[in-house]
Amino acid sequence: GAVVSQHPSWVICKSGTSVKIECRSLDFQATTMFWYRQFPKQSLMLMATSNEGSKATYEQGVEKDKFLINHASLTLSTLTVTSAHPEDSSFYICSARDWGGGLAQHFGDGTRLSIL
Amino acid sequence: AQTVTQSQPEMSVQEAETVTLSCTYDTSENNYYLFWYKQPPSRQMILVIRQEAYKQQNATENRFSVNFQKAAKSFSLKISDSQLGDTAMYFCAFFGVTSGSRLTFGEGTQLTVNP
Repeated sequence: GAVVSQHPSWVICKSGTSVKIECRSLDFQATTMFWYRQFPKQSLMLMATSNEGSKATYEQGVEKDKFLINHASLTLSTLTVTSAHPEDSSFYICSARDWGGGLAQHFGDGTRLSIL
Repeated sequence: AQTVTQSQPEMSVQEAETVTLSCTYDTSENNYYLFWYKQPPSRQMILVIRQEAYKQQNATENRFSVNFQKAAKSFSLKISDSQLGDTAMYFCAFFGVTSGSRLTFGEGTQLTVNP
């Protein structure tokens, strides 16, 4: 089946640093990828939609200068949390749509981000 | 805009028994897909089952089946012969082919399978 690889799975860093999270579709091309944030015991909150070769579309309330998204190829999207602060600590999940596979979205394993 | 509602925040079931998780949605579209995702404690999102709205036959995947009632906009998930590994958060999700590019998720149902 379709596989989405996300790493790192866990990162701890100091306040003020930037953190990059990678999301790769391993066996299909993903023109569209999605970045979510999830708080404990809650549903997934869409942050932005990443389109290959164009600018990402951010959801209302998400700071585009803080959460930089790059989708430079059909199999790779990156999310960079710039100047991270403790309130950015969360679980981040990427997802990619398999247009050739019944439109299902497949998810990475997520990244647990802790800012000290 | 589409909405997805899961009215059962938590459910529990005994091992080997059957449980049904409910999901309702609201949309004006005719062409759409519905999904159930499972998120175990590891937090990995796993696709459990998919239903195309144009198909009348309910989807099944081994012990998992759905009851898709298009007119009622209902999409429940039945888990037969529940196993301890079924303990997870279950999310119902909607994708409208015409309207947009994103999945709309319900709030989730935490299912606990007891030994």
